[in-house]
Amino acid sequence: DQQVKQNSPSLSVQEGRISILNCDYTNSMFDYFLWYKKYPAEGPTFLISISSIKDKNEDGRFTVFLNKSAKHLSLHIVPSQPGDSAVYFCAASEDSPIQGAQKLVFGQGTRLTINP
Amino acid sequence: EAGVAQSPRYKIIEKRQSVAFWCNPISGHATLYWYQQILGQGPKLLIQFQNNGVVDDSQLPKDRFSAERLKGVDSTLKIQPAKLEDSAVYLCASSLEVGSEQFFGPGTRLTVL
Repeated sequence: DQQVKQNSPSLSVQEGRISILNCDYTNSMFDYFLWYKKYPAEGPTFLISISSIKDKNEDGRFTVFLNKSAKHLSLHIVPSQPGDSAVYFCAASEDSPIQGAQKLVFGQGTRLTINP
Repeated sequence: EAGVAQSPRYKIIEKRQSVAFWCNPISGHATLYWYQQILGQGPKLLIQFQNNGVVDDSQLPKDRFSAERLKGVDSTLKIQPAKLEDSAVYLCASSLEVGSEQFFGPGTRLTVL
């Protein structure tokens, strides 16, 4: 079962406009959410995160919003730049029943293309 | 600071052959993870090490996959024998400790023919 879903495989946005990437989850035990960015032939790199006790976290051009009742989070990039073109993964984690374990569950990813 | 190193970057094998991947985490990182990323999907955790001990291998197909982290530094992931459905990118990640930011290596792209 897919506990974290990114329903848009791709998104194309004009440079300077806002990019909004969406993510839905089903497991109400998830308590921490992260966004990763991935360029071709590179590993994912951490972008921004949010705890379940918050509904918004901002870092420069990047803002993540969390709606716990809807089990939905989104990543806003404003303004979008050509260098933002990459695949973005949403991930979620919960306290593992296994002591000392941390498990991240990733969505399928959304390919963002910023057009000049 | 050097990042997570992985080798080889690419590997092509025939089904039923064996293959091994190597990972060198960031110096000082106690926690090491192996992920499998099948085309069109997100990374899926296979195994987590804390120093040289296995913390969670619940999603590792143990009939064909094995991993070790001798001396608590480098790690190897082995598949024996490989199946067509093992074609994927195998990502290694490390973190200073459990719960801290995970840093990913560039991955090894495996193609099984």
